[in-house]
Amino acid sequence: QVQLVQSGAEVKKPGASVKVSCKASGYSFSSLYMHWVRQAPGQGLEWMGIINPSGGSTTYAQKFQGRVTMTRDTSTSTVYMELNSLRSEDTAVYYCAVSSSSDDYWGQGTLVTVSS
Amino acid sequence: SSELTQDPAVSVALGQTVRITCQGDSLRSYYATWYQQKPGQAPVLVIYGKNNRPSGIPDRFSGSSSGNTASLTITGAQAEDEADYYCNSRDSSGNHLVFGGGTKLTVL
Repeated sequence: QVQLVQSGAEVKKPGASVKVSCKASGYSFSSLYMHWVRQAPGQGLEWMGIINPSGGSTTYAQKFQGRVTMTRDTSTSTVYMELNSLRSEDTAVYYCAVSSSSDDYWGQGTLVTVSS
Repeated sequence: SSELTQDPAVSVALGQTVRITCQGDSLRSYYATWYQQKPGQAPVLVIYGKNNRPSGIPDRFSGSSSGNTASLTITGAQAEDEADYYCNSRDSSGNHLVFGGGTKLTVL
């Protein structure tokens, strides 16, 4: 079965960077694009971008252009999302997700707290 | 602001039918995908494509679209359907995805 396991919660200071990992299993890693979605406390879902694990190409939401980097390690079936220049508004749960032809699979979420 | 607009809150009596809508220009070209999210949980896909349900999603959930509006209909709402519902589709450029602001469904 498809499983996406994310790294643990992080606490960062404003201006710092955070790198969240998402380890995939149960399917061919290179066959499904991976999305990153975040959700601030009490707020809605926000799409951040997508990575093609096969070639590593990425598309980022305009809001995060220049501040987010998504990479992958095919040897460990892991995708990484790094967000720089953190501010308090980046406090959120960050999810990775993949879509097959008939379903979606989401990681458990990673809480990133930005606080001085 | 989101390119997909949803009503913030909707309520329905137990066993009745409710429609949750999502409006946006890109919906004239692309289908909406619908997610259900309960507190403290990751979103769950309930409708994708023209009107498709993943395995395990009850058939009381259905999707439709007309013009710039996509709809999620729950026929015979149950107490366990109380949740936040989000639509998702491509933006006007077609290159990015975007979520609606979400609709909080209360089952009375």
